[in-house]
Amino acid sequence: ILNVEQSPQSLHVQEGDSTNFTCSFPSSNFYALHWYRWETAKSPEALFVMTLNGDEKKKGRISATLNTKEGYSYLYIKGSQPEDSATYLCAFFGNEKLTFGTGTRLTIIP
Amino acid sequence: EAGVAQSPRYKIIEKRQSVAFWCNPISGHATLYWYQQILGQGPKLLIQFQNNGVVDDSQLPKDRFSAERLKGVDSTLKIQPAKLEDSAVYLCASSLVRFTRGYGRSYNEQFFGPGTRLTVL
Repeated sequence: ILNVEQSPQSLHVQEGDSTNFTCSFPSSNFYALHWYRWETAKSPEALFVMTLNGDEKKKGRISATLNTKEGYSYLYIKGSQPEDSATYLCAFFGNEKLTFGTGTRLTIIP
Repeated sequence: EAGVAQSPRYKIIEKRQSVAFWCNPISGHATLYWYQQILGQGPKLLIQFQNNGVVDDSQLPKDRFSAERLKGVDSTLKIQPAKLEDSAVYLCASSLVRFTRGYGRSYNEQFFGPGTRLTVL
């Protein structure tokens, strides 16, 4: 059973502040690392997929980095807004399967 | 392009009752997945279909769960009888690239439906 861990489990951030959270995954048999944003009652939305060590991706105020050798990825949100409130899931694609972490639940305080 | 559709969105049943969920994947997507997401945990793959054949059902509790994908398009997931611990969100996902086990890595981005939230009382 693959171990994909996310921290913290939950986070409250003041509107306008920046924040980041972590996903750790096995460093062997790596193929891709996904980040999803999942708002309540909606479909999980793909944010990024990263495949190469050292990858950095950016989408507006959100960015992510990848270190496959040590098995971690960071997601950064700059200048948090209320619409950023969601659960952020990472998922490791390796050994021919997609394995999800438990998610980080982010709440932005207006 | 229409996304993955699921119904119902919410379902409340009593333990020992039966329930069925329906999923319509994105048109042309050969691979379909059912995930179970229990509160506080990440989504867990229950079953994966390629067209109408099962690729992986190793984590499907086969004594009470069943799934089918007739004609390789829509799919239904059934629980019979339900237990309290089946309370979860059931997510359906689909992907375009054909996944062939044993032919090396095959990357396939999955697109998710909104899920069905099941509460078993």
